[in-house]
This record gives sequence, C-alpha cells and structure tokens, in this order.
Amino acid sequence: TQLLEQSPQFLSIQEGENLTVYCNSSSVFSSLQWYRQEPGEGPVLLVTVVTGGEVKKLKRLTFQFGDARKDSSLHITAAQPGDTGLYLCAGAPAGGTSYGKLTFGQGTILTVHP
Amino acid sequence: NAGVMQNPRHLVRRRGQEARLRCSPMKGHSHVYWYRQLPEEGLKFMVYLQKENIIDESGMPKERFSAEFPKEGPSILRIQQVVRGDSAAYFCASSPIWQGNTEAFFGQGTRLTVV
Repeated sequence: TQLLEQSPQFLSIQEGENLTVYCNSSSVFSSLQWYRQEPGEGPVLLVTVVTGGEVKKLKRLTFQFGDARKDSSLHITAAQPGDTGLYLCAGAPAGGTSYGKLTFGQGTILTVHP
Repeated sequence: NAGVMQNPRHLVRRRGQEARLRCSPMKGHSHVYWYRQLPEEGLKFMVYLQKENIIDESGMPKERFSAEFPKEGPSILRIQQVVRGDSAAYFCASSPIWQGNTEAFFGQGTRLTVV
C-alpha cells in the first residue's frame, strides 16, 4: 500500500509570508498532482509533475518533484488571503498496470490572515 | 467544455435506505474513479471503472457498496442500507486513457448525510 505523508496538517500565517508544504513517501510515483479544495467543493487540479527533479511555477506557487519521484513540495511566496484553503497532494502509482488510482496525502489546511 | 458532473450535490437518507450517486465524466474521458472523503480525512480511492467494466474495486467496502459505468449514461455509485458511518463526501474523477502523466479531474462531489 502506497502512503503519502503530507505536512504540516495546519498552517496559519499572515499575509505576505512564505510557506512550504511537503509530501513524502517511501514509494515511487509516476506523477504527482497538487490540488486545492474549497469548502463544499471538489479538488481542483493545480499542477502535475512527472519528471524527477522537475520544478513548475504557477504565479506565486512553486512545485517541486523529488529526484527519486518519492516526494514533492509546494512553496507559496507572499501568501494572500485568497490562498486560504485545503491543499492536497496525490500520487499516481508507478510500474505495473498504469491507471489513475491516486493516493492522497491527508491535506494541509492553510489560513492566511490579512 | 463541461467538467465532471455529479448529482445530487447533497443527499439525505435515513438509516436503511438506499443512496444512488451519479457521475458524468468529462467529454472524451472513458475512465471514472470514485473517492470518499470522511470528515477530517483525506480522499480515499474506492473504485475504478471503464465503460461496462470494473477494473479495480480494491477500495470498496465488501458489502452494501456497488458501482457501475454502463455503456450509456452516467456512472452510478450505489450504497444499500445506509448507516451513519456512510456519511461523507463522495467524489468522482475522470480521465482519458492513462499514460503516466495524465491528469484526473474531479467533480464537485455528493455530500451524503445519513440520519
């Protein structure tokens, strides 16, 4: 069974601060996806990283995939209240029959105070 | 380009009743996945289906739960004789043929409350 450990579980910061969320596993993933989920809504895909060592930037968000494809991080620069929400990482299995059975981390609840 | 559509958004059932949750995948997507999100927990995989086939149901409870994706129409997640512990948000995701870097897109979910 593949597991993704996501940390921290809760993050409360002031507007303008930087933050990093981590996802770690002992398993290798073929790809890793980051989602953001608002209360009462479904997860919305932010980015997919596929190649070990890959870095992707989405405005103030920077996503990194570890060289061994076992871990990933999400870094937000100069956080804004609009960034408040639940952030989820999810890994797609590597090897064997390939399909999108995602393993999710527990999520990070981010609150950015004005 | 319509996204993944789930209905109903909210469903209230009394203990012992049946719940039917529907999911229409994105246009062009032939793969459907169901996930369950319990309060204070992350999303857990339940089942993966293609048209008329259940490919992986390793996350489905052994009893009372079933899923189908018929040739025509939406995918259905069916829960018979619901109990309070079935209260959760149920999400459907869809993707095209999976090729490692394929992305899965989620619907808005059905929030089931068992009273």
